[in-house]
Order: sequence, then structure tokens, then C-alpha cells
Amino acid sequence: GAVVSQHPSRVICKSGTSVKIECRSLDFQATTMFWYRQFPKQSLMLMATSNEGSKATYEQGVEKDKFLINHASLTLSTLTVTSAHPEDSSFYICSARDRDHEQYFGPGTRLTVT
Amino acid sequence: GDSVTQMEGPVTLSEEAFLTINCTYTATGYPSLFWYVQYPGEGLQLLLKATKADDKGSNKGFEATYRKETTSFHLEKGSVQVSDSAVYFCALSGEAGGTSYGKLTFGQGTILTVHP
Repeated sequence: GAVVSQHPSRVICKSGTSVKIECRSLDFQATTMFWYRQFPKQSLMLMATSNEGSKATYEQGVEKDKFLINHASLTLSTLTVTSAHPEDSSFYICSARDRDHEQYFGPGTRLTVT
Repeated sequence: GDSVTQMEGPVTLSEEAFLTINCTYTATGYPSLFWYVQYPGEGLQLLLKATKADDKGSNKGFEATYRKETTSFHLEKGSVQVSDSAVYFCALSGEAGGTSYGKLTFGQGTILTVHP
């Protein structure tokens, strides 16, 4: 089956620094990828839709200048959390959509901001 | 907007017990409905889906029927195994042509633990 990887799996950073998370579709091309955020014991919340070669579409309430998304190729999307603060600590999950519109999920990245 | 409500967990069962995880939704028109499963340390995997009313999705012994009249998509399995221990998410995607088409809205997840 289709595989999506995320890197890193967990990261700890200091408040004020920026962190980049990568999402890759390993065996298929994905014109669309999605970024989700999951708080403890809560559901996944869609943050933004990443489209290859164009600007990302952000959900209401998500700061686009804080969560920078780049989808430079058909197999890679990156999420950069800029000037991270402790409240940005969360589990970030990406998914990639194939030509049949099936979404395949990455294993997630645990971000801790100290 | 769209929303999904799952029964709260955690759910703890003995092996071979019957499983039901309730899921109801709010959405306009006819969304597609999904159950995803997340095993420890892994990403979400599609378990089953249904795209129109009265459809039954099934996989690995799990079943769920799209009930438009009750806006429900309850997950069932007749005899659970230890290997079924995981987190289960109910989700929907808006109908084609709508603003939420292709985007998944998730329930809060239900932790299932099956004991030998």
C-alpha cells in the first residue's frame, strides 16, 4: 500500500525558534497533501491543504504566517512552525491524497516547545 | 459546519467479545463516511468506508452501515482479537461540489483495548 513518511518523528525546540517538518509520499505522487494537528485526547483538526505548485489553503483560525507550508514537488510538503511557543506543542500529522482521492497518513511528529 | 461525534472511550473488551463503537455525524447532503484505525506508533489507516446511504463498508471482520435516517455510521465486529487494540476514528468528507469535499472531519477517537 501507499506509504507516507514524516520527519522528524519528534522534536524539542526552544521558544522563539522555528521548526520544519517534512511529509513525503514514498511510492506515489500527491498533488494534494493535508496537515492536521492533534491535541491530547482530541480529534485531528485540519490546519491546511497543501497543493503542489500553488499556495496552501488554510482553515479558519490557522495563522498562515506562523505555519508556513511549502509543497514544492509531487512527493514532498513541508510545514514550518515559525517562532514556536509552548502553546504550539502538539502532534502534527500529514496525509497525502493519491489519484483515486484516497488519503494516506504519515505517522505524525511530536513537537515540544520549551 | 460538519462534525462527527464518537462514543467516548476507552473501551476494554475480552478477546472474542462483540464490539460496537458508535458514530454520528452532522453534515449537509450526502457525505462520504470513513473509519480509520491507528495502531501504536503508526499512522492512521483506512479501515472501511461508505459513500452513499445504506452502503455497508467492511474489512477485516469490521462492518459499518451508512444510515442517513439516523446520521450514523456505527462500527461493529463480532469477535475482537488482541491485535485489534488500537485507536479508532470515525470521519466524514463532504459531498462532491461542496466546500468540504475531499477534506476529512474526524471524531475524537476511541481507544480500544482487547485482553486475552
